[in-house]
Amino acid sequence: DTEVTQTPKHLVMGMTNKKSLKCEQHMGHRAMYWYKQKAKKPPELMFVYSYEKLSINESVPSRFSPECPNSSLLNLHLHALQPEDSALYLCASSQAVRGDYGYTFGSGTRLTVV
Amino acid sequence: AQTVTQSQPEMSVQEAETVTLSCTYDTSESDYYLFWYKQPPSRQMILVIRQEAYKQQNATENRFSVNFQKAAKSFSLKISDSQLGDAAMYFCAYRSAWSGSEKLVFGKGTKLTVNP
Repeated sequence: DTEVTQTPKHLVMGMTNKKSLKCEQHMGHRAMYWYKQKAKKPPELMFVYSYEKLSINESVPSRFSPECPNSSLLNLHLHALQPEDSALYLCASSQAVRGDYGYTFGSGTRLTVV
Repeated sequence: AQTVTQSQPEMSVQEAETVTLSCTYDTSESDYYLFWYKQPPSRQMILVIRQEAYKQQNATENRFSVNFQKAAKSFSLKISDSQLGDAAMYFCAYRSAWSGSEKLVFGKGTKLTVNP
């Protein structure tokens, strides 16, 4: 299995809703990432987990809450989002050791906040 | 902080022709990795090619090759025999070699159109 699977593919939520994005990989990668991508822009890093521990938080608002329950699974919990949070949310994974390993990306969740 | 610059917001090429996408970067590190990613309208980011800073030889993957000039901090991507399926957004990216879970720093991207 060489894929990163993200669910759901599309999500529409109200500003008072609570929802979660899910990301799963079975490649044995021990580093996992959440990126946010606005239209026609490059991805922007949100969070990095290394060996199931949060290692980087790029000053993301607390309405985004990441969770890494095990080495294969990464969640992003969403609460009280704003319309400007509408974007493509990409999950990625990589080897967590030194080397020229690229990231493997999922196909993303298209989030719309209404 | 490291930065990546792609100076061509859009490029176009005729099918079967060759096109080169430019990328420059700024870093004070000596050990790092460089990548080109492709993002078609299906939106999945696909790794095209990678280069380690310490390797003198330019990386090649089938029709894709790079021209890596470490002193000039330049990392251009050449696509030979362009195909319709090559049409996509191309992102140049930098990653420090400090550890395995460093962030990817992306350029702003180049939109490539392939004309039949």
